[in-house]
Amino acid sequence: AQSVTQLDSQVPVFEEAPVELRCNYSSSVSVYLFWYVQYPNQGLQLLLKYLSGSTLVKGINGFEAEFNKSQTSFHLRKPSVHISDTAEYFCAVSPGGNKLVFGAGTILRVKS
Amino acid sequence: DAMVIQNPRYQVTQFGKPVTLSCSQTLNHNVMYWYQQKSSQAPKLLFHYYDKDFNNEADTPDNFQSRRPNTSFCFLDIRSPGLGDAAMYLCATSPGDIDYNEQFFGPGTRLTVL
Repeated sequence: AQSVTQLDSQVPVFEEAPVELRCNYSSSVSVYLFWYVQYPNQGLQLLLKYLSGSTLVKGINGFEAEFNKSQTSFHLRKPSVHISDTAEYFCAVSPGGNKLVFGAGTILRVKS
Repeated sequence: DAMVIQNPRYQVTQFGKPVTLSCSQTLNHNVMYWYQQKSSQAPKLLFHYYDKDFNNEADTPDNFQSRRPNTSFCFLDIRSPGLGDAAMYLCATSPGDIDYNEQFFGPGTRLTVL
């Protein structure tokens, strides 16, 4: 069965600093990968997705992620965070079919 | 704009009193999902509909039921809410006829059980 591991439950970072949120997945077949963001008391919003092609994927709000097949990773990065980026971030994999497998989430806390 | 709408955003019910949460979509997607999300946890899939075909997760309690009367609407019924059912309930949709399962989420309904 597919699984997704988000290695950090919380990541504190100062405003304007770079950040990386780590995600590893287990799969022996092609997968589709997603990062979602959830602000307090809101639903999940798609940040970016990897379907195929270029391994560097750019998303909304200045985020990007790099797909690394050999390391089965899909880490999310932003070169300079803002207070407004404080939220919970979920990595997810679509192994085919009609379901998503989510990681446990990483809470990003941006401090001024 | 095409979207997923959930009503109400906040729902308070009493222990044991049936409650219904609603979801509608203007995306014309084939698949609709209901998730339960507790604080600082990943969403947990309860069930989904592919068109009219209902798919229940094996560990979803019988207390949770769903209805999809047409393409646009889907309802979550909790027959006898317990204190442990207090959570955020998320509705999502996906096209269903493509290889990858990108899901589109509504804003959620936060359920409080007194």
